[in-house]
Amino acid sequence: ILNVEQSPQSLHVQEGDSTNFTCSFPSSNFYALHWYRWETAKSPEALFVMTLNGDEKKKGRISATLNTKEGYSYLYIKGSQPEDSATYLCAQGGGDGLTFGKGTHLIIQP
Amino acid sequence: NAGVTQTPKFQVLKTGQSMTLQCAQDMNHNSMYWYRQDPGMGLRLIYYSASEGTTDKGEVPNGYNVSRLNKREFSLRLESAAPSQTSVYFCASHGGQNFYGYTFGSGTRLTVV
Repeated sequence: ILNVEQSPQSLHVQEGDSTNFTCSFPSSNFYALHWYRWETAKSPEALFVMTLNGDEKKKGRISATLNTKEGYSYLYIKGSQPEDSATYLCAQGGGDGLTFGKGTHLIIQP
Repeated sequence: NAGVTQTPKFQVLKTGQSMTLQCAQDMNHNSMYWYRQDPGMGLRLIYYSASEGTTDKGEVPNGYNVSRLNKREFSLRLESAAPSQTSVYFCASHGGQNFYGYTFGSGTRLTVV
């Protein structure tokens, strides 16, 4: 079973500030790294899937990078807005299922 | 486009009762998964089906059985519910391409008393 770790566990950020958080995973037998956004009372929604070392993905104000050699990925949010408040999950794996981290709970304070 | 549909949304069972959680997807995905979410834990894989006709155990399969009825439907059965199975259950599907994430259902909140 792969061990996927996320930090920090929770984060309070002022509206307008930028922030980032980390996902670490075993670098051996890497297949793909996923990021999901999970709002309260909803289901997780896919943000990014990255497979290659050095991958960078961007969607609006949110971006992610991947380092498969050292086993980490960063998620960045630029100019945080209240609607960014959610839990952000990362997961590693492939067709035989993803192993998820416990998530980073992000709260944007007005 | 409904995506992944789970039923029921909520359920309360007594210890020892049985029930089946239903999941259906309309995206023609090959792979389907059942996860459980517990406080302080990441989503944990119970069972998965890589294609119609196949099922495999995940990280926490004990106490559960699954059926991949056809390409659309993947059900999870609790034969004799235990309080330790109180959880939120999510079904997900995936088309197999590396660049797409999983599509999740809205979850079933199950309480076993």
